[in-house]
Amino acid sequence: AQTVTQSQPEMSVQEAETVTLSCTYDTSESDYYLFWYKQPPSRQMILVIRQEAYKQQNATENRFSVNFQKAAKSFSLKISDSQLGDAAMYFCAYRTHSGGGADGLTFGKGTHLIIQP
Amino acid sequence: DAGVIQSPRHEVTEMGQEVTLRCKPISGHNSLFWYRQTMMRGLELLIYFNNNVPIDDSGMPEDRFSAKMPNASFSTLKIQPSEPRDSAVYFCASSLHKNTGELFFGEGSRLTVL
Repeated sequence: AQTVTQSQPEMSVQEAETVTLSCTYDTSESDYYLFWYKQPPSRQMILVIRQEAYKQQNATENRFSVNFQKAAKSFSLKISDSQLGDAAMYFCAYRTHSGGGADGLTFGKGTHLIIQP
Repeated sequence: DAGVIQSPRHEVTEMGQEVTLRCKPISGHNSLFWYRQTMMRGLELLIYFNNNVPIDDSGMPEDRFSAKMPNASFSTLKIQPSEPRDSAVYFCASSLHKNTGELFFGEGSRLTVL
């Protein structure tokens, strides 16, 4: 079974600074998806960024980018120019691509990101 | 386009009562997932459906929990009888099969069992 580990229960960063959230995973598969989801106090789960394992290029979405190291099974999220609205729980998630990808997401325990004004 | 719709948003009930949570997935999505979120255990996959058929219910805690998907636009998660340890936020999510792999989540149903 796949596992996802987020080793930082909480991170704090000054507004406008850059912060990196860590994630590692364990799998024997070669083809899969990785995601970062954001959960603000409203509790809505919002997709931040996705990465397909077969793509070598790191995904980028505006101020959000990832560092995907497939051999190391590492998938960190970098948030540049942090804003107050970025404060939330961030979850790293894994999804198998086998069988058409209908096996759901395996989530890490989450990192609580605090933005200091 | 409407997202995943869940109801109720909040439910407070007494131990022993039956609870039914409802979900309408995004139109055209053919995979539906029920998750439970607690502080202690994080986000756990309870059950998922593909083309309205339950594929894996190994995450369902016990026989008190049951889920149905009678058609492509509706699913229920039922707890009978409810217990205080069932208190959690229950999320429904849907996915377009063989698409990007992304799951789209509803806003969740917060259940409190007294």
